[in-house]
Amino acid sequence: GQNIDQPTEMTATEGAIVQINCTYQTSGFNGLFWYQQHAGEAPTFLSYNVLDGLEEKGRFSSFLSRSKGYSYLLLKELQMKDSASYLCAALDSNYQLIWGAGTKLIIKP
Amino acid sequence: NAGVTQTPKFRILKIGQSMTLQCAQDMNHNYMYWYRQDPGMGLKLIYYSVGAGITDKGEVPNGYNVSRSTTEDFPLRLELAAPSQTSVYFCASSYSIEQPQHFGDGTRLSIL
Repeated sequence: GQNIDQPTEMTATEGAIVQINCTYQTSGFNGLFWYQQHAGEAPTFLSYNVLDGLEEKGRFSSFLSRSKGYSYLLLKELQMKDSASYLCAALDSNYQLIWGAGTKLIIKP
Repeated sequence: NAGVTQTPKFRILKIGQSMTLQCAQDMNHNYMYWYRQDPGMGLKLIYYSVGAGITDKGEVPNGYNVSRSTTEDFPLRLELAAPSQTSVYFCASSYSIEQPQHFGDGTRLSIL
C-alpha cells in the first residue's frame, strides 16, 4: 500500500531550528508537497520538490531524496507564528496525491 | 480575487437530512477537490474533478455525491447525513495536479 510517515508532534524553542521529516512509500513518484495549516484554518502551500536536493525559501527550506523516499522541511529562526501543523503529500505515478497525517509543531518561548 | 469560496462556514444537521456544500473558484483552475479532515487527522480525498463534466471518486466517497457543470463550481452533496460525516470539509483547486492546491476556508459540519 501507499503510505506517508511523519512524526505526530514536535516541540521547539523560539529562535531555534527544527527539521520535520517525511518518508513516503508510493507506487511511483512525481513530486512532494509541503503545506502549513494553522489550527482552525485551511492548509497553505509551502513547497514542491520533484528533483533531489534542497530548495530554500526564506526561513523555510525543503529537501528531497528520491532514492531514499525521504523529505524534510527545515524551519529556521523559529517564530511563535510558526506553531502549526505541517502536512507532507506525495504525488504517485498515477498523479494521485497521498497525504500524511501532519506534524503538529509547538513553539515555546 | 476571491480564490476558493466555500459556503456555508458552519452547519448543524440532523441525522437523515441532506445538504449541499458549495464551492466556487475564480482562478480558472481545471482541477477541483473535496476533502474531509477529522480532528487531529490529515486530509482524506472524497471526490475530485479534472474539468467540467468530469468527476471521480477519491479515498472516502461513500455517502457523498458531486457534480461539475462549470469550471467554477464544484458542489458536494450529502444525502442522508450520518454522525460519521461530522467533520471539517475543505474544497481546493489547482491549475494542474503538479501545481499547488488552493484551499477554501472550510465548512464545519456537525451531524446530531
